Order: sequence, then structure tokens, then C-alpha cells
Amino acid sequence: AQSVAQPEDQVNVAEGNPLTVKCTYSVSGNPYLFWYVQYPNRGLQFLLKYITGDNLVKGSYGFEAEFNKSQTSFHLKKPSALVSDSALYFCAVKTGGGNKLTFGTGTQLKVEL
Amino acid sequence: KAGVTQTPRYLIKTRGQQVTLSCSPISGHRSVSWYQQTPGQGLQFLFEYFSETQRNKGNFPGRFSGRQFSNSRSEMNVSTLELGDSALYLCASSYRTSGSNSQETQYFGPGTRLLVL
Repeated sequence: AQSVAQPEDQVNVAEGNPLTVKCTYSVSGNPYLFWYVQYPNRGLQFLLKYITGDNLVKGSYGFEAEFNKSQTSFHLKKPSALVSDSALYFCAVKTGGGNKLTFGTGTQLKVEL
Repeated sequence: KAGVTQTPRYLIKTRGQQVTLSCSPISGHRSVSWYQQTPGQGLQFLFEYFSETQRNKGNFPGRFSGRQFSNSRSEMNVSTLELGDSALYLCASSYRTSGSNSQETQYFGPGTRLLVL
């Protein structure tokens, strides 16, 4: 069975500071890893994904994530946070054999002035 | 391209009723998946349809069903509604090939918020 853990329910960051939202995963086989963001009363918006290749993945709105196979992690990062980045962030994983995404519990990011 | 659309956006039903939710995927996308989002259980996979066939199913009771039409539009149905079915139901589409491995990104619609009273 595949699973994803987001150990922090909430992350608080000052605007202009770097941010990290943590994600670890457990799968058998090669993982396909995704980050999505959800704003209030909205659906999920795709940020980036890791399939294979370069461990550093760049995505939308200045976000990036680093795949670390030995630590089974896929942390989301941004060099300089904006207040508008405040939202709920989900890490998700799937493996071969279908389109089922397994999501983490989500991390609420709050960026303050 | 237009994104994934879901109708209706909001719905109020009473226990015991049934409900049908609709999803139109991004043009050209052939796979449609459904997810349930609740504060207690988070995001949970319901089922996936590809080429009018259910390809994968999550751990939900038989009251939850779905179908896909030849134009890739999908509907999900919940019969005999329970209070616990109150949730945000999200539809996602992807351009999936017929192979068993799927690396494509799923793009989500805005969801249908269902309240069961």
C-alpha cells in the first residue's frame, strides 16, 4: 500500500523568508510525486511533479521540490514567501497501474507580513 | 483550454435521497477520477473511469457509483444519502494513454459541495 505523510499541520513563515513544506512517502516501486495547492472554497491546483530524472523539480509560482530517494522525501520549497502563498498544500503519490492519487493530510501555510 | 467543470457547485439533500454529480473533463482528456474531501478523512479516491470503463475503485460502499460517457464526461451517483456523505466532491481529468502506468498530471475541477441534512 502507498502512503504519504505531511508531518506539520501548519507552517508559519514571514513574507520574504524561505518556506519549506515537508512530505515523506512510502511506496513499493517507483513513485510519481505531486504537489497541489488548495485555496478556500476551490479545487486543487497543480504545482509540480516528480516522475524521474533531476531530483530538483521546478514548478508554478516559483515553487520547487527536491526528491530524496534515500530519505523518501519530497519537500516543497520557495526561496521567498508571499502573503498570497497562504493556502492548504497537499502532497500526493501514485505508482504504476492507474491514476489513483494517495494524498497526505495537508499542511496549512500561513505567510505573515 | 477550459478547465474541468463540475455541476452543480452546491447541493443540499436530506438523508435517504440520492444525488447525481456531473463532471466535464478538459478537452482531449480521457481519464476522469473522483475524490471525496472531508475534514475528518481528508482526500480519498473514489474511482477512475477511462474509455467508459471503471479502471480503479477506492474503498467506498456500493452506494457510490459512477459512469463515463463516450465524450469522456462523467457522473457520480450516491444513493441513500447519509449525514457522513457531506463533503466536497472533486473531479479530476488527465490525458491518459491506454497503458497501465500513468504519469500524467490530474487537473481538478472546483468541486461540488454536498450537504446532507
